[in-house]
Amino acid sequence: DARVTQTPRHKVTEMGQEVTMRCQPILGHNTVFWYRQTMMQGLELLAYFRNRAPLDDSGMPKDRFSAEMPDATLATLKIQPSEPRDSAVYFCASGLVGSSVNEQFFGPGTRLTVL
Amino acid sequence: AQSVAQPEDQVNVAEGNPLTVKCTYSVSGNPYLFWYVQYPNRGLQFLLKYITGDNLVKGSYGFEAEFNKSQTSFHLKKPSALVSDSALYFCAVRDDTGRRALTFGSGTRLQVQP
Repeated sequence: DARVTQTPRHKVTEMGQEVTMRCQPILGHNTVFWYRQTMMQGLELLAYFRNRAPLDDSGMPKDRFSAEMPDATLATLKIQPSEPRDSAVYFCASGLVGSSVNEQFFGPGTRLTVL
Repeated sequence: AQSVAQPEDQVNVAEGNPLTVKCTYSVSGNPYLFWYVQYPNRGLQFLLKYITGDNLVKGSYGFEAEFNKSQTSFHLKKPSALVSDSALYFCAVRDDTGRRALTFGSGTRLQVQP
């Protein structure tokens, strides 16, 4: 049963600390997405990778956020330094562009609380 | 640019009655359209998609959606609602180039009353 996994599921940290969230996309998928969900803003796209290369990270605050794919099985989203306004649920999704699949498959999310 | 509008924040329906969750979209070129459902404290789950072909698309859990090109709509429907259908529903669109990620609507909360 292939699925996207995310760690940690929950993270509570203090303002100013570094936060790293990890995602393992479905094996064989060539695209990875990072989304942030809040009550106020809904679901926002932060970054989009294809074949490990960033295709669109215009939704990500560049001064404190960074997203990388060290290899095809791992995507990371890092916040440094974290701020209370970063509190949200962060979702990773993966997909396979160029196939008949087209849809994105979402992980369970990381619930981040910055105090 | 691509965008999605879900005009209703919440839809209330009685169990056993038909339900409709509305979605309109804007995209350059041919649209790829999707519906996702989110249960509390869970990630989004794929329900159904329209890529090409028949305008009526059938998906998981008895849901279906109708693509209407002239009205740029992709409304989600179900003939008979269940209490367990209560959740947050997201419509999403992207163009057919694959160069852009999905754009999601703001979500519609469906509440099915027993």
